[in-house]
This record gives sequence, C-alpha cells and structure tokens, in this order.
Amino acid sequence: AQSVTQLGSHVSVSEGALVLLRCNYSSSVPPYLFWYVQYPNQGLQLLLKYTSAATLVKGINGFEAEFKKSETSFHLTKPSAHMSDAAEYFCAVRKRGSNYKLTFGKGTLLTVNP
Amino acid sequence: EAGVTQFPSHSVIEKGQTVTLRCDPISGHDNLYWYRRVMGKEIKFLLHFVKESKQDESGMPNNRFLAERTGGTYSTLKVQPAELEDSGVYFCASSQEGTGGEQFFGPGTRLTVL
Repeated sequence: AQSVTQLGSHVSVSEGALVLLRCNYSSSVPPYLFWYVQYPNQGLQLLLKYTSAATLVKGINGFEAEFKKSETSFHLTKPSAHMSDAAEYFCAVRKRGSNYKLTFGKGTLLTVNP
Repeated sequence: EAGVTQFPSHSVIEKGQTVTLRCDPISGHDNLYWYRRVMGKEIKFLLHFVKESKQDESGMPNNRFLAERTGGTYSTLKVQPAELEDSGVYFCASSQEGTGGEQFFGPGTRLTVL
C-alpha cells in the first residue's frame, strides 16, 4: 500500500524567505507524485507533478520539487515566499499507469508573515 | 470551460437524516472520483467511476453511502442515515481517460452532522 508523510502540519515563513515543505512517500515501486494547493474556499489546484521524466519538476507560481528516489522524498520549494502563497499544500501519490486514485498526505498549512 | 462544480457548498443536517451531494465533472471527462476529508485527517479516496461504472469503490466507508452516476455525466453521493462521523468536506474530481490524467477538483461540499 502507498502512503504519504508530510512533516509539519503548519509552516510559517516571512515574506521573501525560502519555502520548504517536506513530503516522503512509501511505495513498492516509484509512483507518480503530485503537489496540490488549496486556497481558502477553493478546490485543490495542481501545482506540479512528477511522472518519471526529469527529477526536478517546475510548477506554477514559482514552485518546484525534486524527486529523490534514494530518500523517497518529493519536497516542495520556492526561493522567495509571497503573501499570496498562504494556503494549505498537499502531497499525493498515485500508482503509475492509467487513472488511479490519489493517496494524500495530511496537508501543510503555510503562513506567510509580512 | 467550466470546472468541476459541486452542490451544495455547505450542508448542515441532524443525525439520522439523509443528504445527497452532487458533482458535475468537466465536460468530456469519463473519470469521476469522490474523496473526503474528515477534520484533522488526510483527504481519503472514496470511489472512482469510469463513465457510469464503478471502477473502484474500495474507499466507501459502509453501506450508508451510495454513489451513482447515471448516464455517465453528473454524480450523486447519498448518505443515509447520516452519522456524526460523516462530517467533513467531500471533494469530487474528474479526469480524462489516459495515462497521467490530471485530476481536476471541485471546491468541495462541507457536511456537518449534528
């Protein structure tokens, strides 16, 4: 069975500081990996995904994540936080191949301080 | 193009009552998923439709939950009778057929059972 662990349910950074949200996964074979973001009163929006092409994946709004097989990690980073980045972020995994269910982590709430 | 829509956005009911949630996927998306997030927990998969057929219903909690997708368009999720532990946010997502299909999420329905 697949599982996802997000370290830190709440991360607080200052505007302009580095954002680092951690995600580790457990899977018998390398899965597809995703980061979703949920802004207040909105649905989940896909930030980026890893599907076995380049291990460094660039997403929307300046976010990127690096797939590290040896560490079973897929941490999300952004060099400089903006106030508009305040949201809840979810890491998810999915079995490779056709349309399968997503398995989510518990989410990390990002607060950006002025 | 319209995104995934869900109705209602909020529902407050008494224990023992019945509630029906509706999801309209993106037009042309054959795959439709239901997920649920109970407060403080991760988003969990409930079931997956391909057109009108249930592809995977392994996440359905018990037989008080009934999902339908007549005609392969919109879907309903009925909870009857509702229990306190059914409270949470119910998300619907849809995707096109094919490998790596991104799941597009609706804004969710917040269900409160009193």
